[in-house]
Amino acid sequence: DIQMTQSPSSLSASVGDKVTLTCRASQSISYYLNWFQQKPGKAPKLLIYAASSLQSGVPSRFSGSGSGTAFTLTISSLQPEDFATYYCQQSYYTPWTFGQGSKVEIK
Amino acid sequence: EVQLVESGGGLIQPGGSLRLSCAASGFIVSNNYMTWVRQAPGKGLEWVAVINSGGSTYYADSVKGRFTISRDRSKNTVYLQMSSLRAEDTAVYYCARGVVTGSYGMDVWGQGTTVTVSS
Repeated sequence: DIQMTQSPSSLSASVGDKVTLTCRASQSISYYLNWFQQKPGKAPKLLIYAASSLQSGVPSRFSGSGSGTAFTLTISSLQPEDFATYYCQQSYYTPWTFGQGSKVEIK
Repeated sequence: EVQLVESGGGLIQPGGSLRLSCAASGFIVSNNYMTWVRQAPGKGLEWVAVINSGGSTYYADSVKGRFTISRDRSKNTVYLQMSSLRAEDTAVYYCARGVVTGSYGMDVWGQGTTVTVSS
């Protein structure tokens, strides 16, 4: 199975900060990488698909990049509603797998 | 409106069986990759199973042989039949739509249904 490793596991940041989250796959997954945001008690929300495509309705401050084994999610200017846990997920091989999550907290 | 509504969760004893349902509206389930994802209390997301547009099914190793994903075209509903349930299957179970184009990004999610396996 493909292992997805996210870093950092958690971080503290302030409103307006630029935040970069990293996701690494244990083997190449081409561009088959999705990013989700989850808030407590809520279902996940798709932010980025195919590594760099912004899902409809998602603010442009979110961006994704990478291919192969290394991927990043960048939030250009952190907003109060962005404090949440972020997950990457590969869909290149079954079983599909998620990273362990990166929690973005208020500093 | 595009929507998914899960049902069927509850308290079940270890070794028991349960069937979860996911009713879709606003789109046709058989044209998409329909997925179940679960989240144990205080833990991260775990992919469980998918049924693709061709009807092929795939499972996480942790549930293979115990869970079965299926769909009913007439009811536009996806199911997750769970058997030989264990305490570690306790979780909120989400149904999600994976779009066929791109990277099968799961763009529509249900509200989740809670399964608790305990004696």
